[in-house]
Amino acid sequence: AQKVTQAQTEISVVEKEDVTLDCVYETRDTTYYLFWYKQPPSGELVFLIRRNSFDEQNEISGRYSWNFQKSTSSFNFTITASQVVDSAVYFCALSEAGGQNFVFGPGTRLSVLP
Amino acid sequence: GAVVSQHPSWVICKSGTSVKIECRSLDFQATTMFWYRQFPKQSLMLMATSNEGSKATYEQGVEKDKFLINHASLTLSTLTVTSAHPEDSSFYICSARSVEGPGEQYFGPGTRLTVT
Repeated sequence: AQKVTQAQTEISVVEKEDVTLDCVYETRDTTYYLFWYKQPPSGELVFLIRRNSFDEQNEISGRYSWNFQKSTSSFNFTITASQVVDSAVYFCALSEAGGQNFVFGPGTRLSVLP
Repeated sequence: GAVVSQHPSWVICKSGTSVKIECRSLDFQATTMFWYRQFPKQSLMLMATSNEGSKATYEQGVEKDKFLINHASLTLSTLTVTSAHPEDSSFYICSARSVEGPGEQYFGPGTRLTVT
């Protein structure tokens, strides 16, 4: 069975600090996708990234970066120079190659204080 | 592209009444749509998988007679909460999987249901 663990329930940082959100997953599939979503107070899920299991290259997008390590089944997300607008709940998710069995982690609530 | 809409965005209803929530893929066709439920401060939990033209598949613990799902076309799925009770109050999110490409799911903006 697929499972996603986000050990950090809540994190508080002061603006401009860097913060890393952890994600550890379990799957028996050799091909799968990993995702990160942001859920602001409005509730709408904001897609951040999708990573194919065969692509272990780290990715950077502006202040966001992701570290994918198959050896430790982790897909961590780092926000550099955090801003108040980054305050939200962040979900890591895992799906099979065909988009089936989409499993969300429990989420990490990030509060960025001014 | 790949936009999914939900209607209504929020609804308040009285206990015992039924509520219908629509999920539409606006610019793509979706053979499969998914319905999730999210209680406050919790994660999204899959309720059911809806395939166009066939019966929905419900996750364990989800009452199929209470949560009626209809997927009548490649762009529309509906979730009807029948005889709603206060414990059904939740945030309901749908997603749609495109018939093309690797089958990525695209999420709707969600519907907040409050049963009084």
